[in-house]
This record gives sequence, structure tokens and C-alpha cells, in this order.
Amino acid sequence: AQKITQTQPGMFVQEKEAVTLDCTYDTSDPSYGLFWYKQPSSGEMIFLIYQGSYDQQNATEGRYSLNFQKARKSANLVISASQLGDSAMYFCALSRLAGYSTLTFGKGTMLLVSP
Amino acid sequence: DVKVTQSSRYLVKRTGEKVFLECVQDMDHENMFWYRQDPGLGLRLIYFSYDVKMKEKGDIPEGYSVSREKKERFSLILESASTNQTSMYLCASSDRVLTEAFFGQGTRLTVV
Repeated sequence: AQKITQTQPGMFVQEKEAVTLDCTYDTSDPSYGLFWYKQPSSGEMIFLIYQGSYDQQNATEGRYSLNFQKARKSANLVISASQLGDSAMYFCALSRLAGYSTLTFGKGTMLLVSP
Repeated sequence: DVKVTQSSRYLVKRTGEKVFLECVQDMDHENMFWYRQDPGLGLRLIYFSYDVKMKEKGDIPEGYSVSREKKERFSLILESASTNQTSMYLCASSDRVLTEAFFGQGTRLTVV
């Protein structure tokens, strides 16, 4: 069975500061992927970043980076230079890369960016 | 621009009604998914499909069924809507190997 744990129900950060959103996972699959999605108040799910379990380097996409620590089974999202528009719900998710695959989500972290 | 489109943004239905939620993707993806989102519970998988006419139960299939007659369309059916099915429903699609999944805008369903 696959499991994602996001222990921070809510986080506050000031504009222009960096913030780390925590995510730990559990899986018995040898090959898997880790995802982060952003959900603003409008409700759409916006794909942010992906990390494959065999990728040697941590994934980065603009201001987003994924701090992947395989031995600790953690996949934290780092947002640099926060902006007011980053205020949203953030979800970490896990998929297997072999066979038929689905996304298993954590319960999410609400990020609020203040001026 | 890749797109997953859900037929309704907001829907209000009466208890006992049969409800159809439609989802269409234009990316020729093999996989399609229906999730339900409730506060404090995150997204939970209802059903998914990896090919036309194929379907698999997710974590919470009770009270739901699905249909995939064409590759681009995946329908979620509430056979007899109940108030505990009031929720946000999200459709998604991906390639066979799931390294990226795209979501629709969501349908907020209220059953009264």
C-alpha cells in the first residue's frame, strides 16, 4: 500500500521569504514518482513539480524545488521568494511507475503568504 | 494547451436522483481518474480506467459507477444520490506511465 503524510495543516510565510512544505511517503514499489500540486481557492489542481525515484538530481521548476531524500522517504517542496499568489492548498502525491498506476494524495497543507 | 474538461462547475441535485458527471480530455491519454475531495481528507480515488471499457475500483467506489465508451471520455455516475455524496469531484488524465497528471476544473456537487 502507498501512503503520503503531510504533517503541516497550515503554514504562514512573509512575502519574498522561502518556505518548505513537508511530505513523507511510504511505498514498497521499487520505482515510483512524487508530485506536488497547488490548489488555489478556485479549486483547480495545478501541477507544480515531479521527481522520479531513480532521478539522481532534485527536481526544480522555476521557484519550486523538490528536496528528495530517498533514505528518509521524504519529498519536501521548497518555494523560494514567496509571492502573494502562492497562497493556496498544496498537495503531495505518490504514484508507482510500473503496472497500472494511480496518484495517492496527502491531506494537504494550506500556505498563507502575507505582505 | 492540454485540457481536461468537466461538464459542470456547480451542480445541485435531489436525494435519490441519478447523477452523471462527465469528463473529457484532449491529450489522447490512456489513464483517466475520478477523485473526490473533502475538507481534511485530501483527494480520495473513486474509480480509474486504463483503457476504453476498462475500469478499476479505487478506495471509495461504493455508491458510484463509471463508464468509458471512448478514450477521451470518462463518466462518473451516482446511481441514487445521497447527501453524503455532497463533495468536490475532480477528474484527471495521464499517460500509461504516470509521470504527469492533468486535472479538470472540478465539479462542486450538492445533494439536497
